[in-house]
Amino acid sequence: GAGVSQSPSNKVTEKGKDVELRCDPISGHTALYWYRQSLGQGLEFLIYFQGNSAPDKSGLPSDRFSAERTGGSVSTLTIQRTQQEDSAVYLCASSLAPTGGSGNTIYFGEGSWLTVV
Amino acid sequence: GQNIDQPTEMTATEGAIVQINCTYQTSGFNGLFWYQQHAGEAPTFLSYNVLDGLEEKGRFSSFLSRSKGYSYLLLKELQMKDSASYLCAPRNTGKLIFGQGTTLQVKP
Repeated sequence: GAGVSQSPSNKVTEKGKDVELRCDPISGHTALYWYRQSLGQGLEFLIYFQGNSAPDKSGLPSDRFSAERTGGSVSTLTIQRTQQEDSAVYLCASSLAPTGGSGNTIYFGEGSWLTVV
Repeated sequence: GQNIDQPTEMTATEGAIVQINCTYQTSGFNGLFWYQQHAGEAPTFLSYNVLDGLEEKGRFSSFLSRSKGYSYLLLKELQMKDSASYLCAPRNTGKLIFGQGTTLQVKP
């Protein structure tokens, strides 16, 4: 597609429920990233994919968080048993490859705003 | 460890020039990006430096010194729409590492 697409754009869920957030990267981009941004805070790295594998998942805050990517394209971030502190905007980004020159710029989607009540 | 340091807030006047500094410490350095983020919106790409020196792109320029772990973003001919957060993000073996960003307020 023309840009990184994320869904849902907004999600309100009850504490303890599971949520799934979807990311559709720019067509042809092999690298995909998930970040989290709490209100007034900087972007916190969660995980990145190269193809379908995740070389770096060091930022996942707990085992309630998981992510997968299939077919080298769409990725899903799953949060189990949501807590109020999970409330944040979850940003997905993609690039042609994870390393290299300026052609590997990382482009962000509009984010999924998650509110846990 | 990894650390990015930027001023939290800056104020400048419309039409002026402002320089936003960034110092960083990261392993596996592979270039440095600057992003602009308006409140409630996603970050948008501004510039990228991988070698030392200045990269110019219209009203925006970015400088990098790898030996000093230092970069700056220079904004010229400031406009009101430039009021936003500016994020310095070194790339660490694939992923971008973000600090808290600098909130710039442009006043008439």
